[in-house]
Amino acid sequence: GENVEQHPSTLSVQEGDSAVIKCTYSDSASNYFPWYKQELGKGPQLIIDIRSNVGEKKDQRIAVTLNKTAKHFSLHITETQPEDSAVYFCAAPNYGGSQGNLIFGKGTKLSVKP
Amino acid sequence: EAGVAQSPRYKIIEKRQSVAFWCNPISGHATLYWYQQILGQGPKLLIQFQNNGVVDDSQLPKDRFSAERLKGVDSTLKIQPAKLEDSAVYLCASSLLLNTEAFFGQGTRLTVV
Repeated sequence: GENVEQHPSTLSVQEGDSAVIKCTYSDSASNYFPWYKQELGKGPQLIIDIRSNVGEKKDQRIAVTLNKTAKHFSLHITETQPEDSAVYFCAAPNYGGSQGNLIFGKGTKLSVKP
Repeated sequence: EAGVAQSPRYKIIEKRQSVAFWCNPISGHATLYWYQQILGQGPKLLIQFQNNGVVDDSQLPKDRFSAERLKGVDSTLKIQPAKLEDSAVYLCASSLLLNTEAFFGQGTRLTVV
């Protein structure tokens, strides 16, 4: 089955700096890689995802890159703001299953200091 | 559009007691998921329903956990008897179809003492 590793576990940046979170996966058949943001007391919220037929996807200040050969993908947040402070999770499909049947990384707690 | 509704928000029980959680998915969503999130970890899938049928329950501890979605809409997750290690947030998620985005509810925080 799929295994997802996520680094770092904590990340502290100054407002306006960039933040990068990296994940690796084990199943070469995986083809969908979402990133979720979880604020305190709330459920995870999808912020961006990428499919294996593209190498990069951007949405305003957020971008995700995928390297299928190395089996790793990364989340990039530019011009960070205090409201970006949260726990971020990467994920990959379980047994090549549906977009909601996911194996999650352990999470990265991002703190953006004003 | 209303999101995924879960209740209760918090529950404290003693070990060996039973507990049930309720989930109302987004209207029209055929796929429903229950996840367990232990403090400091990512969510782990317990069970996936497609309408009222089980698609994946391979990680559900079936000796104590059960779940149902009788009419293909609301779902309940039950734990009987609870153990200390069941303390976690139980998240419900739903998606329109199997291969569309999953939306999560706020979760139920269970504390077993």
